[in-house]
Amino acid sequence: EAAVTQSPRNKVAVTGGKVTLSCNQTNNHNNMYWYRQDTGHGLRLIHYSYGAGSTEKGDIPDGYKASRPSQENFSLILELATPSQTSVYFCASGDANSDYTFGSGTRLLVI
Amino acid sequence: GDQVEQSPSALSLHEGTSSALRCNFTTTTRSVQWFRQNSRGSLINLFYLASGTKENGRLKSAFDSKELYSTLHIRDAQLEDSGTYFCAATDSNYQLIWGSGTKLIIKP
Repeated sequence: EAAVTQSPRNKVAVTGGKVTLSCNQTNNHNNMYWYRQDTGHGLRLIHYSYGAGSTEKGDIPDGYKASRPSQENFSLILELATPSQTSVYFCASGDANSDYTFGSGTRLLVI
Repeated sequence: GDQVEQSPSALSLHEGTSSALRCNFTTTTRSVQWFRQNSRGSLINLFYLASGTKENGRLKSAFDSKELYSTLHIRDAQLEDSGTYFCAATDSNYQLIWGSGTKLIIKP
């Protein structure tokens, strides 16, 4: 069954540390997305990708990097984590004329 | 202003009743998707529409690309329908623009 799998499900990181969130999709979608969800803000787009080797800035890219080494994998990287990056992160895959599929989310706490 | 205006922001229904959620779009929208987020935070894709209507059980959605709105009808509401519902529009650059969500509570 086609799916989007995120890892880890939960993460505690220290301020200034490096955090990598991973996402794998078996939908064979070209596009992949990273969102964060905070209370009162809904989902906000951080980075997205049109395919392997492509990364694009979304609405709130500052403090984040992204990597798309293959069609299936899309990572979100926090080089220097800060408490303001405490949030729930969602990965999604989709194409221009198809459904979007979301992962189950990663809860990140930066202390 | 917001490109996607979702209403209502909150809704409380008794079991067995019906209601509708609505999203208005202020710019050209290629398609719309409706999602439900459950209490665990998981997002479930309910519908994808490029035009017309779709129905799935007690849920029905419509998208009018000319009048720039979409609706999600919930018929015979059940407790498991509780959650936060989001619409998301695909803009001319194929990016998802999200509504602010409707928190739906179903009461026994």
